[in-house]
Amino acid sequence: DADVTQTPRNRITKTGKRIMLECSQTKGHDRMYWYRQDPGLGLRLIYYSFDVKDINKGEISDGYSVSRQAQAKFSLSLESAIPNQTALYFCATSEGQGLTYEQYFGPGTRLTVT
Amino acid sequence: QKEVEQDPGPLSVPEGAIVSLNCTYSNSAFQYFMWYRQYSRKGPELLMYTYSSGNKEDGRFTAQVDKSSKYISLFIRDSQPSDSATYLCAMSVSMDDYKLSFGAGTTVTVRA
Repeated sequence: DADVTQTPRNRITKTGKRIMLECSQTKGHDRMYWYRQDPGLGLRLIYYSFDVKDINKGEISDGYSVSRQAQAKFSLSLESAIPNQTALYFCATSEGQGLTYEQYFGPGTRLTVT
Repeated sequence: QKEVEQDPGPLSVPEGAIVSLNCTYSNSAFQYFMWYRQYSRKGPELLMYTYSSGNKEDGRFTAQVDKSSKYISLFIRDSQPSDSATYLCAMSVSMDDYKLSFGAGTTVTVRA
């Protein structure tokens, strides 16, 4: 089984709808991240969490919120989706100390906002 | 100006050719340099990392870092169709740095 799983894998939603993307990991890592990937822009960090009680904004957090329900679960919500949030979203995990540059990514969620 | 620049390609080469990929960066504080490989419909996976300047070899893959020029490269020798993927460079200031700065990725196709 995959170490980092994301649900759903694909989602089409309408402008203004609330949507949640979910991430689960079995790697036992403390740190979890949400990124979005857009053509020509690479991966950009939305939110990151160092443990259940430590959640921080990344470089593009506006319009997004997160919840760390447990060490293994980290959810990303779009409160009111807009078309420019159409992108590929990745969850990732890493060790808590050292080797943070080695991040393990889930398979991604392709989100389309119409 | 982006902190990390990477030519998106695409790059198409025949099987057996040497693939050369590179990134430039502007932040002189970067110390760790990574290459991630991303297959279609998959998440990125770490391929190689290098600390500071120098070369690192792993099988058919060689990573080079030239901090004086703020330039990093990845070479793939004897390329195979299975090397067809998008390659993303990434950089960080320290080993514990949660923030990775990614390039946009270069898409490579190796033709059989």
